[in-house]
Amino acid sequence: EPEVTQTPSHQVTQMGQEVILRCVPISNHLYFYWYRQILGQKVEFLVSFYNNEISEKSEIFDDQFSVERPDGSNFTLKIRSTKLEDSAMYFCASRAHGGRETQYFGPGTRLLVL
Amino acid sequence: QQQVKQSPQSLIVQKGGISIINCAYENTAFDYFPWYQQFPGKGPALLIAIRPDVSEKKEGRFTISFNKSAKQFSLHIMDSQPGDSATYFCAASKGSNYQLIWGAGTKLIIKP
Repeated sequence: EPEVTQTPSHQVTQMGQEVILRCVPISNHLYFYWYRQILGQKVEFLVSFYNNEISEKSEIFDDQFSVERPDGSNFTLKIRSTKLEDSAMYFCASRAHGGRETQYFGPGTRLLVL
Repeated sequence: QQQVKQSPQSLIVQKGGISIINCAYENTAFDYFPWYQQFPGKGPALLIAIRPDVSEKKEGRFTISFNKSAKQFSLHIMDSQPGDSATYFCAASKGSNYQLIWGAGTKLIIKP
């Protein structure tokens, strides 16, 4: 069964460093999402992406964040200058074409900013 | 307005019992209400979902009950099994983009 994959599974970085989290969505899916979950808190929507552009973003997704689909398979989330409060589990999700509601989630990347 | 409130935070149920998790929302524009199941080390996986035009949806041992007037929906797990032990999230979305607003999660433990 096709699945969403994410790399790395864990990342430790120093405050102020740039990180890139990678996702490979399910191959025929068209809609892509990033969510994050700070330890002990709710899962929060960050951004959605369709047709090579951001379709929606939350207030969390400020200028320090960017997303890209650099080729036909990868979907990346970049944090330019990490802060301590960026420490969280980051989930990528993908969804098939318009009428299909189900989002399929990857296993997540646990980011720790020191 | 955008919040989804979920309770309880944790739940212990005997094997064979009924597990019930509740969620409430404020935004009447929400039109899609999924429940996700998450096992440790895995991402959330869709369990069952409902739209507000029906009051109940059943898939196997899992049922969503939806009360539009009260703005509440709940997940019922019948004949709960140890393999059901996981964290359950309710969520809601509106419109065609389907970005999800999540509840806080319920850690369910089924005792053998």
